[in-house]
Amino acid sequence: EIVLTQSPGTLSLSPGERATLSCRASQSVSSGYLAWYQQKPGQAPRLLIYGASTRATGIPDRFSGSGSGTDFTLTISRLEPEDFAVYYCQQSGSSPRLTFGGGTKVEIK
Amino acid sequence: EVQLVEFGGGLVQPGGSLRLSCAASGFTFSSYEMNWVRQAPGKGLEWVSYISSSGINIYYADSVRGRFTISRDNAKNSLYLQMNSLRAEDTGVYYCARDGYYQAAGYWGQGTLVTVSS
Repeated sequence: EIVLTQSPGTLSLSPGERATLSCRASQSVSSGYLAWYQQKPGQAPRLLIYGASTRATGIPDRFSGSGSGTDFTLTISRLEPEDFAVYYCQQSGSSPRLTFGGGTKVEIK
Repeated sequence: EVQLVEFGGGLVQPGGSLRLSCAASGFTFSSYEMNWVRQAPGKGLEWVSYISSSGINIYYADSVRGRFTISRDNAKNSLYLQMNSLRAEDTGVYYCARDGYYQAAGYWGQGTLVTVSS
């Protein structure tokens, strides 16, 4: 079973700053089957990135994903007020079918 | 517009049963693989179950295998989750989610809350 470890647990930043979120897998994630989601309180998760680096429809270009194998990164180039939320990485393609990381909370400093 | 609406959640005693439904609209439901994902209060996301577009291939998380059953009715554009032998640790919001590119969940419902408590 692939385990995803996200770091840091909490990131305290100011609007306009750059956010770098890490997701490390215990085994190689097959063919870039790595996605990132944003979740705000009381809302369902929203897909940001799939295939490790492709932005989902309607996602601003300040969000970018990179990485391969076991190390992946979500970067938010300049934080907007609406970006303060919890972010999850997710792998698929290996048993169990989907696995989520524990999440990184991006909070206002 | 793609819409997923879950219903059927509620309060149930430990050992009890509940059936969740997810009504899909705005897309060709029979062409898409579907998942149930849950979130315990204040916790992260946990995948629960998957069903292929035809309903032939089904997978479960270890934590629910043998107790939960996923199914779908493509004629009714509906996804289901039959939950038996419920435990306190099954408490949480249950989301249905549609698979997309690279098996990422591009669309989610608003969730339905299941509370297992005596």
